[in-house]
Amino acid sequence: DAGITQSPRHKVTETGTPVTLRCHQTENHRYMYWYRQDPGHGLRLIHYSYGVKDTDKGEVSDGYSVSRSKTEDFLLTLESATSSQTSVYFCAISESTNSPLHFGNGTRLTVT
Amino acid sequence: GQQVMQIPQYQHVQEGEDFTTYCNSSTTLSNIQWYKQRPGGHPVFLIQLVKSGEVKKQKRLTFQFGEAKKNSSLHITATQTTDVGTYFCAGRYGGSARQLTFGSGTQLTVLP
Repeated sequence: DAGITQSPRHKVTETGTPVTLRCHQTENHRYMYWYRQDPGHGLRLIHYSYGVKDTDKGEVSDGYSVSRSKTEDFLLTLESATSSQTSVYFCAISESTNSPLHFGNGTRLTVT
Repeated sequence: GQQVMQIPQYQHVQEGEDFTTYCNSSTTLSNIQWYKQRPGGHPVFLIQLVKSGEVKKQKRLTFQFGEAKKNSSLHITATQTTDVGTYFCAGRYGGSARQLTFGSGTQLTVLP
């Protein structure tokens, strides 16, 4: 498996609190992505990055922000968590936009 | 946004039976990828199809890309318990990273 580490693996938080999820890669891949997975919806793109400080929105970006200050790290922040953001979050990396995605092990987030 | 429809959502088969999952897009795809996710795991890349009418095989798995590049299928011959998991297709519509759309997945259960 590609060297991708997500932290934390599990998180329970209360509505209205900020939450940051971290993705760390050791592959030096240019592209990094945050997806959320919900039953019946497959994987939906939240945000992605195509380089340091270069990010763009995906399909379901409302309520989320991201930052990439180093090639290896991509952070996803929920400024004020809501129950609808309860989900499993996957980070992925790829060498180019046409390359396969390699996924991390996921973070299970529960917002109560 | 673009949508990739995947059917069936669930499939239960007896070990040794065949299994097929289908993906359909209303617009032409530049390529399509297939991923497998074991229960509790993360999606793992299986294959990418690029050419019209392309057929690729991986042991008991056969992947097809339609002539019009709007549909694709994954067929597993003589399923085994190790095939259990959710199979996702992901269709690419263009060169941007956001233009990869996942189907909702087919959850395969193999009964021993």
